[in-house]
Amino acid sequence: EDKVVQSPLSLVVHEGDTVTLNCSYEVTNFRSLLWYKQEKKAPTFLFMLTSSGIEKKSGRLSSILDKKELFSILNITATQTGDSAVYLCAVGVYTGTASKLTFGTGTRLQVTL
Amino acid sequence: NAGVTQTPKFQVLKTGQSMTLQCAQDMNHNSMYWYRQDPGMGLRLIYYSASEGTTDKGEVPNGYNVSRLNKREFSLRLESAAPSQTSVYFCASYREAGGSPLHFGNGTRLTVT
Repeated sequence: EDKVVQSPLSLVVHEGDTVTLNCSYEVTNFRSLLWYKQEKKAPTFLFMLTSSGIEKKSGRLSSILDKKELFSILNITATQTGDSAVYLCAVGVYTGTASKLTFGTGTRLQVTL
Repeated sequence: NAGVTQTPKFQVLKTGQSMTLQCAQDMNHNSMYWYRQDPGMGLRLIYYSASEGTTDKGEVPNGYNVSRLNKREFSLRLESAAPSQTSVYFCASYREAGGSPLHFGNGTRLTVT
């Protein structure tokens, strides 16, 4: 059974802090790892990672994948209150007919003033 | 482009009633998915479809049926709703080639009393 585990489950930080969110996985036929941000509605896409060691960056957010140790991290620097959300990690596997994404339970981040 | 469109946005059912959640995508994606999201459980895959006329069970298929009538549409049916099916349901689509992320609809909030 495919498994995706995120840590911590929740986190409260002050505006301006840097945070690191973790995602580890055990899956068969790994294809990709994706990060999503979810506020009140549908998840919105942040990053897709397929190769080890290549950092993806978007503004204050960055992410990297380690396919040997089976984990990924999502870093957010200089956090702002608008970063408050649930961050979801998902791992894509190929079943032979379609790709299937398994999600972790998410990390709830709260950024306070 | 509308992307992925789900209807209805909200629904309240009594135990034992049936209903169909509709989903349509206009991105010419091959694969489509139904997820449910419950507090603290992340997103769990109910069913997915690699192409028109094919469907596969995900992690939590019991109590649901699906239908992929054509490339655009993928519906989820609850034949006899139960309170345990109270949840937020998300439809998503995915293009197998090109490494695009999963695209989500805006969700259906279903309450079964």
